[in-house]
Amino acid sequence: DAGVTQSPTHLIKTRGQHVTLRCSPISGHKSVSWYQQVLGQGPQFIFQYYEKEERGRGNFPDRFSARQFPNYSSELNVNALLLGDSALYLCASSLVGFNYGYTFGSGTRLTVV
Amino acid sequence: DQQVKQNSPSLSVQEGRISILNCDYTNSMFDYFLWYKKYPAEGPTFLISISSIKDKNEDGRFTVFLNKSAKHLSLHIVPSQPGDSAVYFCAASALETSGSRLTFGEGTQLTVNP
Repeated sequence: DAGVTQSPTHLIKTRGQHVTLRCSPISGHKSVSWYQQVLGQGPQFIFQYYEKEERGRGNFPDRFSARQFPNYSSELNVNALLLGDSALYLCASSLVGFNYGYTFGSGTRLTVV
Repeated sequence: DQQVKQNSPSLSVQEGRISILNCDYTNSMFDYFLWYKKYPAEGPTFLISISSIKDKNEDGRFTVFLNKSAKHLSLHIVPSQPGDSAVYFCAASALETSGSRLTFGEGTQLTVNP
């Protein structure tokens, strides 16, 4: 059974551009969460979606948005990229919105130049 | 406001000895705590968790201890193996107030020497 898959694995963007990151949860998992991990720090919560509805939002600017599709896959969008957005973006899925069963993907490494 | 802190960026131990990783938190609403392990180029992998109603949880070589009065938890790995070398993250959640979002510490790089 496939784990959480994220695409692309690596991405280089220029300041001011926008980016879309994609996540496919484990089959049957209905909850998807996004985290940002800056080098040397722990992951920081960005969004959680459950049954296609936003269930939580971290302390990130409105340039960050996300959505969940009917097949439970998810996209994270970031507009007007800043150098500080360079990070590893992690997607996690679970059966319900409870953290015990979080399974993380390998992440998308975003570099903003 | 760093609500979960891992004060040791790195820890080095000999194979077969005990590894003790520490974590402190400030938010008294946290009621569930987890440890994750992360290898380079991989996502964090769940290791072990503990509810705030317990003070100890054990799973094989891994034991987590929770001291609520001190707002401190620790992960013990016995015996340590070279394959345990990774970054370990402590995470906490406040299920009643914030749902299942996790607040992570900064991580501790564990190196187990053969």
